[in-house]
Amino acid sequence: QQPVQSPQAVILREGEDAVINCSSSKALYSVHWYRQKHGEAPVFLMILLKGGEQKGHEKISASFNEKKQQSSLYLTASQLSYSGTYFCGTESGTASKLTFGTGTRLQVTL
Amino acid sequence: KAGVTQTPRYLIKTRGQQVTLSCSPISGHRSVSWYQQTPGQGLQFLFEYFSETQRNKGNFPGRFSGRQFSNSRSEMNVSTLELGDSALYLCASSYAGLNEQFFGPGTRLTVL
Repeated sequence: QQPVQSPQAVILREGEDAVINCSSSKALYSVHWYRQKHGEAPVFLMILLKGGEQKGHEKISASFNEKKQQSSLYLTASQLSYSGTYFCGTESGTASKLTFGTGTRLQVTL
Repeated sequence: KAGVTQTPRYLIKTRGQQVTLSCSPISGHRSVSWYQQTPGQGLQFLFEYFSETQRNKGNFPGRFSGRQFSNSRSEMNVSTLELGDSALYLCASSYAGLNEQFFGPGTRLTVL
């Protein structure tokens, strides 16, 4: 089952903040975040592991609530370059594979 | 360091034909995963190969198959193409498993 992302789309003015949520019905081992700009390949943003470890880019922050099987991606002081579709990918059980959500389309305007 | 490359970038096929897509991972990466991307379904996991072995498979019919060579290059094959197979096929490589994955530009497959 795909994780559910919310909101499906959001429009921000430059400098505003946004939160993108990812929720799963399964117990999660890790959550991965990627951003895909139109016509380009997805680019890695962050991995959040069960137990609290995080790996990612310094300017991106996220949280992982293991009990609720939820993760949130925090975009602060948004820039035009933040525009794109954000995907969360979840890993559960022993299978080493990611199940991606359907994405959150973010548009930052002047 | 060269990125992930995929060939061809665009393909047009007719129903019933078969197609082979190729992916060359970043040098040193041993894991290659394949995804199907469509507007309605997002990114759907197809399979993952590590050191020439398929470690995981998604929920796709047996018409979708793949393999990995000793140099970590991977191919994906789709037989008996259907209209619904039209999609962007992405491959992603990583040093091992589900670490940071680097995606290629994708192959856009259109089935007529």
